[in-house]
Amino acid sequence: GQQLNQSPQSMFIQEGEDVSMNCTSSSIFNTWLWYKQDPGEGPVLLIALYKAGELTSNGRLTAQFGITRKDSFLNISASIPSDVGIYFCAGPDNTDKLIFGTGTRLQVFP
Amino acid sequence: EPEVTQTPSHQVTQMGQEVILRCVPISNHLYFYWYRQILGQKVEFLVSFYNNEISEKSEIFDDQFSVERPDGSNFTLKIRSTKLEDSAMYFCASSAEGVGYTFGSGTRLTVV
Repeated sequence: GQQLNQSPQSMFIQEGEDVSMNCTSSSIFNTWLWYKQDPGEGPVLLIALYKAGELTSNGRLTAQFGITRKDSFLNISASIPSDVGIYFCAGPDNTDKLIFGTGTRLQVFP
Repeated sequence: EPEVTQTPSHQVTQMGQEVILRCVPISNHLYFYWYRQILGQKVEFLVSFYNNEISEKSEIFDDQFSVERPDGSNFTLKIRSTKLEDSAMYFCASSAEGVGYTFGSGTRLTVV
């Protein structure tokens, strides 16, 4: 089946630094979603991308839908402590169920 | 903002017991889902439900699992005879259509 691999697996950064993470797929997706999961909570949608090449921002977050439709990246600028969490990419398969990536765990130190 | 509500937030059960996890989806949503996340792993699809029937289920969703929408507001996941490996966070989600999912906060199920 379709798989989404995220890198890096984990990141430890200092407050104020910029962060970049990406997600690659073995097959094409027509929509890319980026979620954040806080400890003990459900995934919360950060950004949705619907078109190849699309670059979308949401505050300090920027995400791009790769031209090949097999990858996406998420950037966080000027990180703050509340950015801590696990970031998942996800995409719908041909039956619209979401396939989630392996996750990137972000730790921000003051 | 509308929310998907899940209860209980944490359930501890003995192996072999039945558990029912409850969800109240967003009121005008038509598509309902259960996902599972074993500790430290990614979120995995279990089942989708539309028009009062299962649309799709994964390999994880075997005969021990069932879903029901007993009234106009609740959506439940039942595990008939729990196993140790059923310990996980279970997330309910709903959408109006397509991929506009909203997830609940989850139920942490611990089987002992």
